Amino acid sequence: GDSVTQMEGPVTLSEEAFLTINCTYTATGYPSLFWYVQYPGEGLQLLLKATKADDKGSNKGFEATYRKETTSFHLEKGSVQVSDSAVYFCALTSGGSNYKLTFGKGTLLTVNP
Amino acid sequence: EAQVTQNPRYLITVTGKKLTVTCSQNMNHEYMSWYRQDPGLGLRQIYYSMNVEVTDKGDVPEGYKVSRKEKRNFPLILESPSPNQTSLYFCASSLRGARTTNEKLFFGSGTQLSVL
Repeated sequence: GDSVTQMEGPVTLSEEAFLTINCTYTATGYPSLFWYVQYPGEGLQLLLKATKADDKGSNKGFEATYRKETTSFHLEKGSVQVSDSAVYFCALTSGGSNYKLTFGKGTLLTVNP
Repeated sequence: EAQVTQNPRYLITVTGKKLTVTCSQNMNHEYMSWYRQDPGLGLRQIYYSMNVEVTDKGDVPEGYKVSRKEKRNFPLILESPSPNQTSLYFCASSLRGARTTNEKLFFGSGTQLSVL
């Protein structure tokens, strides 16, 4: 079945540091890939997505590129802020009869001033 | 404001006492779904609904029921809760479904359930 593997957290960075959160996936067919973010005490929000190979999703300074050859969708940001502290989830949808997002386990990011 | 509303936000109950967590969306979305979030396991789908009167099991449906009598509402029912159902629950919706159109899901703020 489909699966998503994210780097284990927690990740702690200083403000303005470079961020990478690794994500790899296993899926049938041609999945669409997503990053969702969960701020403390809130539900998940879509951060960015990519629907085909070599697509780059971007939003709020975050980027991720759909790499079919390495089955990866790593999240990056050049300069993190304290307000980026949250849990980040990589997710995918793929073909099949079950209409759902398959999520990774989440990575907690803490950014210190 | 477009939103998914879950109630209650926090719930403490005892084993075996039936409960319902309500979910309502005001965006005329066809697709709705329930997830549970557990530490170290991420989010797992419980049930989903493609439209009114159309529901199906997700990955972890045991011990849960759902109904979709109206488009806007998708309640989650625990007929006889057990401690292993202690979790953070999220309702989500999208216009037509995460697979068919690669749309994003809109999530509620969550319901923290504790079963003693």
